[in-house]
Amino acid sequence: DQQVKQNSPSLSVQEGRISILNCDYTNSMFDYFLWYKKYPAEGPTFLISISSIKDKNEDGRFTVFLNKSAKHLSLHIVPSQPGDSAVYFCAASVAGSARQLTFGSGTQLTVLP
Amino acid sequence: DSGVTQTPKHLITATGQRVTLRCSPRSGDLSVYWYQQSLDQGLQFLIQYYNGEERAKGNILERFSAQQFPDLHSELNLSSLELGDSALYFCASSAGTDNQPQHFGDGTRLSIL
Repeated sequence: DQQVKQNSPSLSVQEGRISILNCDYTNSMFDYFLWYKKYPAEGPTFLISISSIKDKNEDGRFTVFLNKSAKHLSLHIVPSQPGDSAVYFCAASVAGSARQLTFGSGTQLTVLP
Repeated sequence: DSGVTQTPKHLITATGQRVTLRCSPRSGDLSVYWYQQSLDQGLQFLIQYYNGEERAKGNILERFSAQQFPDLHSELNLSSLELGDSALYFCASSAGTDNQPQHFGDGTRLSIL
């Protein structure tokens, strides 16, 4: 049973426009959520996180939104740049679980110049 | 550069053999996590150590074991290797306190022939 789902395997956007990546989860015990970016032949790179006590967190061009009632989070990238082209993973963890991460399957973002 | 170092980058071996993967965490991080990424399974949590002690176990086979040494580096031992063990193995580290992101190394690609 996939507890973290990224239903869009791929997304293409034009440079300068907004990229919106989505993630759904089923485990209501998750209380900390993260987004990672991954380039080929590299490990996942941490982008931004959000605790369940918040509904929004911003860091530069990246904003993460959390909707606990819908068990949904999204990552907004504004403006999108060609260098943002990568696979994006959302991940979640449960308090008191030693913080092991449960990952989604990833979304390939392509930003077109 | 995440600050997490994994060696070797690539490993090619045969079925039935035993290998050791090594991870040096970021300076100051006490927690080390191991994850496996295979083509059909995505990123799966294997095991976590905190300051030398095992904290949590995920989907880790009995043929696999790990340890964290006093200098906080960690090793993942894989024995009686099977074709299905071919995967990318990632190490991540974190401070170990609550709501701190994990930072990943670039992984070891294990190929079983």
